[in-house]
Amino acid sequence: DTGVSQDPRHKITKRGQNVTFRCDPISEHNRLYWYRQTLGQGPEFLTYFQNEAQLEKSRLLSDRFSAERPKGSFSTLEIQRTEQGDSAMYLCASSLVPGMNTEAFFGQGTRLTVV
Amino acid sequence: GDSVTQMEGPVTLSEEAFLTINCTYTATGYPSLFWYVQYPGEGLQLLLKATKADDKGSNKGFEATYRKETTSFHLEKGSVQVSDSAVYFCALTGSGGSNYKLTFGKGTLLTVNP
Repeated sequence: DTGVSQDPRHKITKRGQNVTFRCDPISEHNRLYWYRQTLGQGPEFLTYFQNEAQLEKSRLLSDRFSAERPKGSFSTLEIQRTEQGDSAMYLCASSLVPGMNTEAFFGQGTRLTVV
Repeated sequence: GDSVTQMEGPVTLSEEAFLTINCTYTATGYPSLFWYVQYPGEGLQLLLKATKADDKGSNKGFEATYRKETTSFHLEKGSVQVSDSAVYFCALTGSGGSNYKLTFGKGTLLTVNP
């Protein structure tokens, strides 16, 4: 297994367009997380899945954002009607359950630039 | 809510210098504490962790001790190398039902010069 992979690595889009990112977690991991990291800040939690169920969404995740994990494997994060404030690095991570504080493994991220 | 405050960067050191990056936290209960590292062009990697008070996490010459009395988890290394140049993030997971969600500090950029 090569770890968590994210696609694309970079995305430039015009304001108002929709974008979709993909995350492939480590194959045996049943938890998958999305974080957002803006310049000069640490990553902030957006949402997470256990298998195919989305169990929590941060208030940072406006109604323009939607995430899915249809078969409990890969996940997609879609942003509709992008705004300049959406420009950030979007990070995906995965981990095992159960177990307290099981390590989360991060992908390299998708850098989104909205122009 | 939970929060992490870490030393503002950037930090610039010469090779073989001693490193300390301060980290303090606010959380209810008994969080677990982490240091993550992000090398240029790479994803976040777990560097070390501690899950209860007085635990010491260590890896690759880095150490940090979970100090509940001072709510701190400072990162130290006795002799840094050029290859340690990276961004370091202090983080925590809450106790109980929020033990899956990482709360990060803003990160500290470390540059080590030869």
